[in-house]
Amino acid sequence: AQSVAQPEDQVNVAEGNPLTVKCTYSVSGNPYLFWYVQYPNRGLQFLLKYITGDNLVKGSYGFEAEFNKSQTSFHLKKPSALVSDSALYFCAVSAFTSRGYSTLTFGKGTMLLVSP
Amino acid sequence: KAGVTQTPRYLIKTRGQQVTLSCSPISGHRSVSWYQQTPGQGLQFLFEYFSETQRNKGNFPGRFSGRQFSNSRSEMNVSTLELGDSALYLCASSTDRSTDTQYFGPGTRLTVL
Repeated sequence: AQSVAQPEDQVNVAEGNPLTVKCTYSVSGNPYLFWYVQYPNRGLQFLLKYITGDNLVKGSYGFEAEFNKSQTSFHLKKPSALVSDSALYFCAVSAFTSRGYSTLTFGKGTMLLVSP
Repeated sequence: KAGVTQTPRYLIKTRGQQVTLSCSPISGHRSVSWYQQTPGQGLQFLFEYFSETQRNKGNFPGRFSGRQFSNSRSEMNVSTLELGDSALYLCASSTDRSTDTQYFGPGTRLTVL
């Protein structure tokens, strides 16, 4: 069975500082990894994904994520945080089920709070 | 392209009632997945439909059901509502491959009194 762990319930960072939101995964076979962001009372917005190739993936709003196969991690990063980045962030992994079709498994989410 | 739309956005029901939620996927997307989001359990997968067939199902009781129409629009139904069914129900659409991004709708907020 596949799983995703986001070890921090909340991350606090000052505006202008770099931010990291951590994610580790467990899956059989090749992982397909995603980051989504959710603002209050809204659906999830896609940020970026890793399928194959370069371990550093660049996404929307200046976010990037680094895939590390040996550490089974896919941490989300941004060089300079904005107050408007404050939101709930979800890491997700996609993999094939025993029936051959994929499902998306999400972590519990990490609340990012950026202070002015 | 228009995004994923869900109706209604908000619902208030009482225990024992049933409810139907609707999801219209992005044009051209044939896969529709449903998720339940609660503060305690996070995002939990309900089921996925592709070309009118349920392909995957999460660990939810039979009170939760769904269907997909030939135009890829999907509905989910919850019968005999319980207080614990109060949640944000999210629909997501994608093409087909596991590498494809799922795009989410704004969700339906269901409150069961």
